[in-house]
Amino acid sequence: DTEVTQTPKHLVMGMTNKKSLKCEQHMGHRAMYWYKQKAKKPPELMFVYSYEKLSINESVPSRFSPECPNSSLLNLHLHALQPEDSALYLCASSQRGDGASGNTIYFGEGSWLTVV
Amino acid sequence: KNQVEQSPQSLIILEGKNCTLQCNYTVSPFSNLRWYKQDTGRGPVSLTIMTFSENTKSNGRYTATLDADTKQSSLHITASQLSDSASYICVVSGLSGYSTLTFGKGTMLLVSP
Repeated sequence: DTEVTQTPKHLVMGMTNKKSLKCEQHMGHRAMYWYKQKAKKPPELMFVYSYEKLSINESVPSRFSPECPNSSLLNLHLHALQPEDSALYLCASSQRGDGASGNTIYFGEGSWLTVV
Repeated sequence: KNQVEQSPQSLIILEGKNCTLQCNYTVSPFSNLRWYKQDTGRGPVSLTIMTFSENTKSNGRYTATLDADTKQSSLHITASQLSDSASYICVVSGLSGYSTLTFGKGTMLLVSP
């Protein structure tokens, strides 16, 4: 079982709605990530938080707004999304804030987002 | 440009048989290579992580090999089970952090009864 918990598992929202995806881990990891995954494609990195500070934003549109309230929580606020934003949004965490050896990245189950 | 190529794209095998999935990469400088299993509609689950000094690593019926000289890795699944049906993703990490985490497109494995 994954130790990264994401809610909700499924979300349907209109293009004018404001919603949030939530992610939680209690492994003491200091890096947390948001990935976007379209069907039959590998995950694409969106944001990285290291020690609760945003360290990477992979040119993600401003309609996606990440927030890290504390070291265990990561949110992704959604506003004015487009239908093409429909995807599986994966949260992940790792002990250290880099891709180094032994630094396994643990993924959550994902949140399925459909924008109508 | 950092790339990770996986083959085959998809594979169907009979339950109980073995199979080998391939991963070739051009990521440089290289830090480590990971194999993940992703069931349809679920998040990826880590199977193995290997550094350049490791040639082989096992996790139950999964055995990963790495040849850092030829920049090739393989994932061997022994005595396949129906629950092994999933996408297997090879992920290669460079030395400079998250942005150099390069994902392969995955191999879709179907184990048939």
